[in-house]
Amino acid sequence: DVQMTQSPSTLSASVGDRVTITCRASQSTSYRLAWYQQKPGQAPKLLIYKASTLESGVPSRFSGSGSGTEFTLTISSLQPDDFATYYCQQLWTFGQGTKVEMK
Amino acid sequence: QVQLQESGPGLVKPSETLSLTCTISGGSIRNYYWTWIRQLPGKAPECMGYIYYSGTTNYNPSLKSRVTMSVDTSKNQFSLKLRSVTAADTALYYCARGYYGGETWAHRGPYSYFYMDVWGKGTTVTVSS
Repeated sequence: DVQMTQSPSTLSASVGDRVTITCRASQSTSYRLAWYQQKPGQAPKLLIYKASTLESGVPSRFSGSGSGTEFTLTISSLQPDDFATYYCQQLWTFGQGTKVEMK
Repeated sequence: QVQLQESGPGLVKPSETLSLTCTISGGSIRNYYWTWIRQLPGKAPECMGYIYYSGTTNYNPSLKSRVTMSVDTSKNQFSLKLRSVTAADTALYYCARGYYGGETWAHRGPYSYFYMDVWGKGTTVTVSS
């Protein structure tokens, strides 16, 4: 099955920074990606689906792009509530996660 | 709004069967792909499979030989059974509401998508004697 590789694994950033997380699929034929945010002790929360569609209620500072084997999640201006772990997902497979921590 | 609640034993013995139920409240079971996801400690989530409200199932190939999912539309519930568990199955188990679209599942391709928009809070299952 498709393997998903996220980079970086950890990202140190400050409030107001522009943050970009990349997810690469192992196969040339891949599916349209979803992105989730997870905070400690909570279930993952859907942010983006079909690679670039913003889930209802999610702030517009989150955006997704990409197709084929490379996808990107961008946070245009990092807010205090955004420090969390982010996962990409295609069908059964999640990426290994990117932890966004305070610099 | 739709809420999901997992229920079942928190402790299962090795070689036995793990059984969980997810109860849906505030919404219909129809027209969605009801999904089980687990998350081993410190790891990324893993989709175990889904069951469509009509009863059609698709399981993650890595677990397919041990997993069975079922649905009870009269009770707005769906269930998971995982057979022959070991300590490696100790995890936080979530149920979630899923969407699938694009090409048919059997011919999925670059327009296919699958995602989960509503999740339960999760239930911890420990496999130990």
